[in-house]
Amino acid sequence: NAGVTQTPKFQVLKTGQSMTLQCAQDMNHNSMYWYRQDPGMGLRLIYYSASEGTTDKGEVPNGYNVSRLNKREFSLRLESAAPSQTSVYFCASRGQGIPGNTIYFGEGSWLTVV
Amino acid sequence: AQSVAQPEDQVNVAEGNPLTVKCTYSVSGNPYLFWYVQYPNRGLQFLLKYITGDNLVKGSYGFEAEFNKSQTSFHLKKPSALVSDSALYFCAVSVTTDSWGKLQFGAGTQVVVTP
Repeated sequence: NAGVTQTPKFQVLKTGQSMTLQCAQDMNHNSMYWYRQDPGMGLRLIYYSASEGTTDKGEVPNGYNVSRLNKREFSLRLESAAPSQTSVYFCASRGQGIPGNTIYFGEGSWLTVV
Repeated sequence: AQSVAQPEDQVNVAEGNPLTVKCTYSVSGNPYLFWYVQYPNRGLQFLLKYITGDNLVKGSYGFEAEFNKSQTSFHLKKPSALVSDSALYFCAVSVTTDSWGKLQFGAGTQVVVTP
């Protein structure tokens, strides 16, 4: 019963490098999300996908792109990493994009950009 | 726009004493309210939520929260804290009119329970 799985767990990048964070869920959920967590700021929504084939910007989308590859997978790409993107990234999913449904989170990906 | 405030960066409590973590919110419309807990180097775990109905909501690990519409609050409580409750707690809100159900999070409150 894996739930939401993210890879990699830890990554160090040099400024200007690119990388993709992978996320997969095995709960047959329709909606998926990418959040970033920074000290004192809680979690902020980067992008979300209400259903397979759709994506939309959240609160802090600049510098990121996403791909909803299929119903299970939702990846986050940093095309040219910047130190300001040093953060903890969380993927999450929800059965349907209904406000009352619970969102379930992965274990996080710790990214450092030097 | 919706927002969530957790007025305390840190709450210190002795083991066995009552624990309260405060949360207030601001939304246009009716809120759905959530509490999550995060242990070190881990993801967020769902504790409980208020959707509708009874204002007192019971959740995992002996936690409960009370929805107060007039005070726009949703404080998390536990009658007797354990050392293992030491973690980072997040309050979050979404609104019934948001068809995609996006969550707005508070900044988090660090709970430290001492033996």
